[in-house]
Amino acid sequence: GQQLNQSPQSMFIQEGEDVSMNCTSSSIFNTWLWYKQEPGEGPVLLIALYKAGELTSNGRLTAQFGITRKDSFLNISASIPSDVGIYFCAGQTTGNQFYFGTGTSLTVIP
Amino acid sequence: NAGVMQNPRHLVRRRGQEARLRCSPMKGHSHVYWYRQLPEEGLKFMVYLQKENIIDESGMPKERFSAEFPKEGPSILRIQQVVRGDSAAYFCASSPWAGGTDTQYFGPGTRLTVL
Repeated sequence: GQQLNQSPQSMFIQEGEDVSMNCTSSSIFNTWLWYKQEPGEGPVLLIALYKAGELTSNGRLTAQFGITRKDSFLNISASIPSDVGIYFCAGQTTGNQFYFGTGTSLTVIP
Repeated sequence: NAGVMQNPRHLVRRRGQEARLRCSPMKGHSHVYWYRQLPEEGLKFMVYLQKENIIDESGMPKERFSAEFPKEGPSILRIQQVVRGDSAAYFCASSPWAGGTDTQYFGPGTRLTVL
């Protein structure tokens, strides 16, 4: 099935730094979703975006639904050690199928 | 409001046995998705079901794997005659979709180990 292009694949940053990751697709989506997964757990929904151009925040997290409906980014400001995990983007199609990015592994160095 | 529930959380089977994985969607959700994840890898789509219907099973192997979501009760992912390569984490997600935009919520997963 289709897979989204997510970058970067991994990030090693110092505590306090800002983080940015993005996803692109050749198809348009109705919804963009961002999840965080920690070891041994299921993905947890962080932010859901429903309109092109929409900018949504959840605490230190900010995500945007690209105006072309083919991309999205997630920013994390002032990173802390508990931000460690794998972040996945997902796009929802008109037929209600979901396609996932390959993940961005985030390591925060105290 | 309870989230998506999966059981068992861990399942150990010997080669040739059957594995049954259960998923109870969030209350009010009638759409269920199953995904498979290998260590250090992303989520691989397997099957999308609505109550009593399989909508898309394009990601599911044609042999040994089957899925159902009956009118009453949880969704079941069934793997017959398991092999070592079936060892993985299997995640279920549910959504309330009624047309237009939608959001998926995941369960904690079932970790299958085949000896």
